[in-house]
Amino acid sequence: EPEVTQTPSHQVTQMGQEVILRCVPISNHLYFYWYRQILGQKVEFLVSFYNNEISEKSEIFDDQFSVERPDGSNFTLKIRSTKLEDSAMYFCASNQLLGEAFFGQGTRLTVV
Amino acid sequence: QQPVQSPQAVILREGEDAVINCSSSKALYSVHWYRQKHGEAPVFLMILLKGGEQKGHEKISASFNEKKQQSSLYLTASQLSYSGTYFCGTQAGAGSYQLTFGKGTKLSVIP
Repeated sequence: EPEVTQTPSHQVTQMGQEVILRCVPISNHLYFYWYRQILGQKVEFLVSFYNNEISEKSEIFDDQFSVERPDGSNFTLKIRSTKLEDSAMYFCASNQLLGEAFFGQGTRLTVV
Repeated sequence: QQPVQSPQAVILREGEDAVINCSSSKALYSVHWYRQKHGEAPVFLMILLKGGEQKGHEKISASFNEKKQQSSLYLTASQLSYSGTYFCGTQAGAGSYQLTFGKGTKLSVIP
């Protein structure tokens, strides 16, 4: 069964460092998303991406965040200068049109 | 604006039924339901696109009342595997790809 894959599964970084979270969406999907979930809290939308550009972004997705689809398969989330409050599980998701979204297993980001 | 889910948590014995509600103050285009087990990714259960639509998935079904901007998830004859946190995600319009999730309802099914 096709799945969304994310790497790494766990990333520890020092405050102020840049991190890149990687995702390989399902191959025939057109819409890509990043969500985050702070431990024990709800899933929060960060950004959606379609046709090589951002479709929507939330208030959380400020200038320190950026997304890229550098090639035909990868979809990345870059956090330029990490803060302690960026510690969370980051989920990538993809779907066709506006139907079922498939989530990856997540990257646990720990900022120390 | 995030949808409001109720209850926040529920404990069931195997075989019992539960209803989880999701309501929004904004008009909705669709409601998505996901289940997340501890430490895992959310898993899609179903999507409801039209007012009054009901969908089913094994012994889990849901309804969507467009006028009331509410959706309910019905779990019947619960099994241990139903344990997890259930999130509703709402979509405001056909042109919006953003899913706004509620805070979740933690369901625990005990033997």
